[in-house]
Amino acid sequence: EVQLVESGGGLVQPGRSLKLSCVASGFTFNNYWMTWIRQAPGKGLEWVASITNTGGSTYYPDSVKGRFTISRDNAKSTLYLQMNSLRSEDTATYYCTRDQRTTAPFAYWGQGTLVTVSS
Amino acid sequence: DVVMTQTPVSLPVSLGGQASISCRSSQSLVHSNGNTYLHWYLQKPGQSPQLLIYRVSNRFSGVPDRFSGSGSGTDFTLKISRVEPEDLGDYYCLQSTHFPNTFGAGTKLELK
Repeated sequence: EVQLVESGGGLVQPGRSLKLSCVASGFTFNNYWMTWIRQAPGKGLEWVASITNTGGSTYYPDSVKGRFTISRDNAKSTLYLQMNSLRSEDTATYYCTRDQRTTAPFAYWGQGTLVTVSS
Repeated sequence: DVVMTQTPVSLPVSLGGQASISCRSSQSLVHSNGNTYLHWYLQKPGQSPQLLIYRVSNRFSGVPDRFSGSGSGTDFTLKISRVEPEDLGDYYCLQSTHFPNTFGAGTKLELK
């Protein structure tokens, strides 16, 4: 069974940093792209970052480019999201997803971890 | 960026009835490889989203055949027949043909 378990969320002040983790199990981690998606309270879904299976390429929307960094440790089956220079608009639940890019992207989701950016 | 316009915002339905959700993109979703990367997700209250339909019309594993997707180019539709209580929630379309990947704003399927 595919399982994705996020951690690392919490309350952080504007301008500070936070690092999210996602531990994967139930599949061969290094065979898949992985993606972070977020959802602000009461709002819709927003794609945040994707990384190829080897970690050789990463992709971001302009809203987080230069502030967020997605990375992975295939030996530990773990995905990361380093978030710097956080803003109030980054407040959201962050979901880790398994990304079958050429067929069914975001086919599996974790339960999410809430990040609140506030002073 | 590709803008995904989803309608309606809210869709009241009766149990056992049919629902139809539209998703239109601001540019063609046909990839250079010939595939169209338009997908549908359902987020039930208090849960993470789940994939229903991928690449326009393919049901994901375990999704009942009451759900069907169709469309091409820039115009896509999700149909739900014989609506059941577990179908209620927020539906989102997603395009992954172009970066940045973009979602529609969502359609809330609720009881009439």
